Amino acid sequence: GAGVSQSPSNKVTEKGKDVELRCDPISGHTALYWYRQSLGQGLEFLIYFQGNSAPDKSGLPSDRFSAERTGGSVSTLTIQRTQQEDSAVYLCASSLILGEQYFGPGTRLTVT
Amino acid sequence: KQEVTQIPAALSVPEGENLVLNCSFTDSAIYNLQWFRQDPGKGLTSLLLIQSSQREQTSGRLNASLDKSSGRSTLYIAASQPGDSATYLCAVRPRGSNYKLTFGKGTLLTVNP
Repeated sequence: GAGVSQSPSNKVTEKGKDVELRCDPISGHTALYWYRQSLGQGLEFLIYFQGNSAPDKSGLPSDRFSAERTGGSVSTLTIQRTQQEDSAVYLCASSLILGEQYFGPGTRLTVT
Repeated sequence: KQEVTQIPAALSVPEGENLVLNCSFTDSAIYNLQWFRQDPGKGLTSLLLIQSSQREQTSGRLNASLDKSSGRSTLYIAASQPGDSATYLCAVRPRGSNYKLTFGKGTLLTVNP
């Protein structure tokens, strides 16, 4: 079946603008995760959804970052007032509860 | 705090060679360990997942082992091919927060024809 999809694949934005990144998980996967991969850094966890609720938002780097999930499916990660340090690849993954995580292709965000 | 280290950071080998990638983690209280492959500009592809109760998993030319007590895992690639060139990432799922993965920084593998 279809894997995890993310859109857009690339996003270039000016500093100070807001951006929305979208993730479509594998159908039936109740768990959804957002990670960030910065140049030269490892992957860092941002937020986890179980259904539509986010029991762990501890990885969000600042209050400019927020995420929501609707209908237990699609998730949107929003970054307000983007800064240059937000430039990174944002990866989404989904899984069954405690199952293997399957990753999407990522969204490459460049803030100029 | 769980930390994951991968050695070496980069590895270059001639085609056909067998090779081992290493991963170590500081806290042995893990739920499972996963090896991923990442091609340039792409997302992550899961290669092997080892549950904490298992010692190894095999898929084709890949074999991953887990020694939880010593906090180590290895990924063995047999008869390497140029198509194996990629970054290989190791990630553990800690028992304390058993949903998020903690990643190493990866090993960049280059297999030369």
